[in-house]
Amino acid sequence: AQTVTQSQPEMSVQEAETVTLSCTYDTSESDYYLFWYKQPPSRQMILVIRQEAYKQQNATENRFSVNFQKAAKSFSLKISDSQLGDAAMYFCAYLGPPNTGNQFYFGTGTSLTVIP
Amino acid sequence: KAGVTQTPRYLIKTRGQQVTLSCSPISGHRSVSWYQQTPGQGLQFLFEYFSETQRNKGNFPGRFSGRQFSNSRSEMNVSTLELGDSALYLCASSLAAGGPETQYFGPGTRLLVL
Repeated sequence: AQTVTQSQPEMSVQEAETVTLSCTYDTSESDYYLFWYKQPPSRQMILVIRQEAYKQQNATENRFSVNFQKAAKSFSLKISDSQLGDAAMYFCAYLGPPNTGNQFYFGTGTSLTVIP
Repeated sequence: KAGVTQTPRYLIKTRGQQVTLSCSPISGHRSVSWYQQTPGQGLQFLFEYFSETQRNKGNFPGRFSGRQFSNSRSEMNVSTLELGDSALYLCASSLAAGGPETQYFGPGTRLLVL
């Protein structure tokens, strides 16, 4: 089975600074998809950013960007200009090739604190 | 468009009882997946339904079951509840199964088993 590892249970960042959350995964597939989801306290999980493995270019969504290293099976999330509203649990997730259904594999999460 | 809705939002049950949770996907979405979230185990996949058929099933005992209706709404049932079933149960919908579809999550149902 695929595994997703987030080695940082907790991280903190000063408001307006940059923080990077780490994620590694294990798969034998060549075609797959990676996601970062954000789960604020007592609120529902929302998509932050997604990356298709066949794309070499790193995905970017406003202040959020990823560093996707396919050979190293690494998928880190960089949050620039951190804001108080970025405080949440962040989950890295893996989705297999299109013919394997919609079973997401999640990491254990990183709790991000933003310090004013 | 309305998001994914889950009912009820909170439930308290006792050991041995059974419970049914409901999930209404985003309009037009045909795939519904269920996840169990606990502090100890994190997010674990329960099962996925598409067009009223179970496509994938996670590593959970047979006490956990589900179904999907023709309008794509889904229910999951847990019979003979155990203390360890206390968790946040998340439902996620996506447009179709078998494609690189982003999953959209509902707010969850928080189940407490006493």
